[in-house]
Amino acid sequence: SQTIHQWPATLVQPVGSPLSLECTVEGTSNPNLYWYRQAAGRGLQLLFYSVGIGQISSEVPQNLSASRPQDRQFILSSKKLLLSDSGFYLCAWSTYNNQPQHFGDGTRLSIL
Amino acid sequence: RKEVEQDPGPFNVPEGATVAFNCTYSNSASQSFFWYRQDCRKEPKLLMSVYSSGNEDGRFTAQLNRASQYISLLIRDSKLSDSATYLCVVTFNAGNMLTFGGGTRLMVKP
Repeated sequence: SQTIHQWPATLVQPVGSPLSLECTVEGTSNPNLYWYRQAAGRGLQLLFYSVGIGQISSEVPQNLSASRPQDRQFILSSKKLLLSDSGFYLCAWSTYNNQPQHFGDGTRLSIL
Repeated sequence: RKEVEQDPGPFNVPEGATVAFNCTYSNSASQSFFWYRQDCRKEPKLLMSVYSSGNEDGRFTAQLNRASQYISLLIRDSKLSDSATYLCVVTFNAGNMLTFGGGTRLMVKP
């Protein structure tokens, strides 16, 4: 069966520090991969998605970036975090674009 | 107008009650529909897909009304454990990705 792993579960970072969140999927090949952010009490905001290695599409312009160095690895990064980057970051995978997405446990990021 | 709209709630219901949520979508060409459940401070989890003919999974029934562009979720015999936020999800054509509604919060009280 397929599993998705996301880490760390929680992270506290100072403003201006870099960020790297990692997500890996097991049990499937060539998945579509997604990064979402959810602010407290709000809905899901799609940040990036990838349909293959090295292919990244950005949905929202911001100081975050994503990379997909391997088929089942998706990384969310920032060079300098802002206070507004606080939130719950979720990685997800699906077989195709219009199929259900399955989420990792999420990373709760607090910026101080 | 938002692409996918839900009443944020909260819906406060007693145990054993029947509760229904609606979700409206803006694009008449929408093709795939899902309901997700999200517990507080947890990731969303797929609850059920919504098929044109309607479908049922235990106490949960999902319906699609294409003419009026809405989907619904009916929960019968509510349990305390049903307390969560229910997310409506729609795709707008075969090639597009899922668009999530803002969610409807349900609180089931003893």
